[in-house]
This record gives sequence, structure tokens and C-alpha cells, in this order.
Amino acid sequence: GQQLNQSPQSMFIQEGEDVSMNCTSSSIFNTWLWYKQDPGEGPVLLIALYKAGELTSNGRLTAQFGITRKDSFLNISASIPSDVGIYFCAGQTNAGKSTFGDGTTLTVKP
Amino acid sequence: NAGVMQNPRHLVRRRGQEARLRCSPMKGHSHVYWYRQLPEEGLKFMVYLQKENIIDESGMPKERFSAEFPKEGPSILRIQQVVRGDSAAYFCASSLTRDTDTQYFGPGTRLTVL
Repeated sequence: GQQLNQSPQSMFIQEGEDVSMNCTSSSIFNTWLWYKQDPGEGPVLLIALYKAGELTSNGRLTAQFGITRKDSFLNISASIPSDVGIYFCAGQTNAGKSTFGDGTTLTVKP
Repeated sequence: NAGVMQNPRHLVRRRGQEARLRCSPMKGHSHVYWYRQLPEEGLKFMVYLQKENIIDESGMPKERFSAEFPKEGPSILRIQQVVRGDSAAYFCASSLTRDTDTQYFGPGTRLTVL
């Protein structure tokens, strides 16, 4: 089946630093999605990418959909304490279901 | 516009009992997806339903698990004769269309099997 490799598994950074995480796959996806999950809650959509090569920003977040459709990265600039959480990438085909990475746990030290 | 709603948020069952998890999609959404999340793992696809139809159940265990999305009412994920390994967070998502439309997630139901 389709699998996503998400890295790094965890990050410990100082407030104000920039963060970068990425996902790769052996399969092609039509859509790449980045979610954030807080403890005890469901994933919340941060950014959706629909076109190969697309670069999209949402505030301090920037994500890109790889040219090959097999990878994506998410950058967070000038991190703040509320950025703490688990970030998931997900690839979606036109069959509907999403395949998720195992997440990147972000810890921000004030 | 209310988001995806799931209930109960927490469910405790003893081994052998049945668990019924409910999901009400966002208003206007007719596509529902169920995912399971084990601790410190990502979400794993279970089943995709559109009103009254199961479209893709490739992620569902072959036994004890079933799902439905009736014409009226919420989608139900049913687990019969639960075992400790069924303990997990179960998330429902809904989308407006199928293709590459964005899926919006509910808060999840945390099932604990004693």
C-alpha cells in the first residue's frame, strides 16, 4: 500500500526559530495536505496543495508540493509557543482516502 | 457552519462488548471517512462512505468491524466483541465531493477497552 515517510520524528526548538519538516512517498498523490493535531483533538487542516510545484503560504506557514508529486515540505517561520503540537502530512488520490505520515512532534521552548 | 461532530468523545467498553461510534458530517457534505489512530502514530484509513453506500472499505478489519451512512442520520462505525487491541482514537472526516476535495476532521472518539 501507499506509505508516507515523514521527518523528522520530533523537533525541539527555541521560540523564534524557523522549522522545516518534509514528507516523501514512493507513490504519486494528487493532493498534499498538512495538518496540526493538538492533544485530545482531531487534525486541523493547515495547508492544502493541489498542483505539482505549488508553493502556498498561510501566515507563518509555507508549504510546497514537489514537482514529482511524491514529496512536500512545510516550513514554519518565527515559531511561537502555540505552534507546539503534532504535524501530519497526508497524500490524497482521486479515490478519496488520505494516507498519513506518522507525524512530527514539535516542542517550542519559550 | 458547524464542523464535523463525533460522539461520544470517550467510550469505555469491556472485552466482548459492542462499541458504536457516531459521526455527523459538516452540513452539505455527503462523503464520510473513518480513520483509526494508535498512540504516537498517524491516522490509518479504514472506510469511505457516501450516503447509503460503502465506496472503499480496504482499511477495515475483515471481522467485527462495520460501518454505515444511512440516508438520514449520522454515520456509524460499529465494533462488535471488542478486544484490547481495538483501543485507539477513531476519527471521522467529511468532504463535499470525492476527488481531491479537502477532508475536515472531527474531534475523535477515544475508545478504551478494559
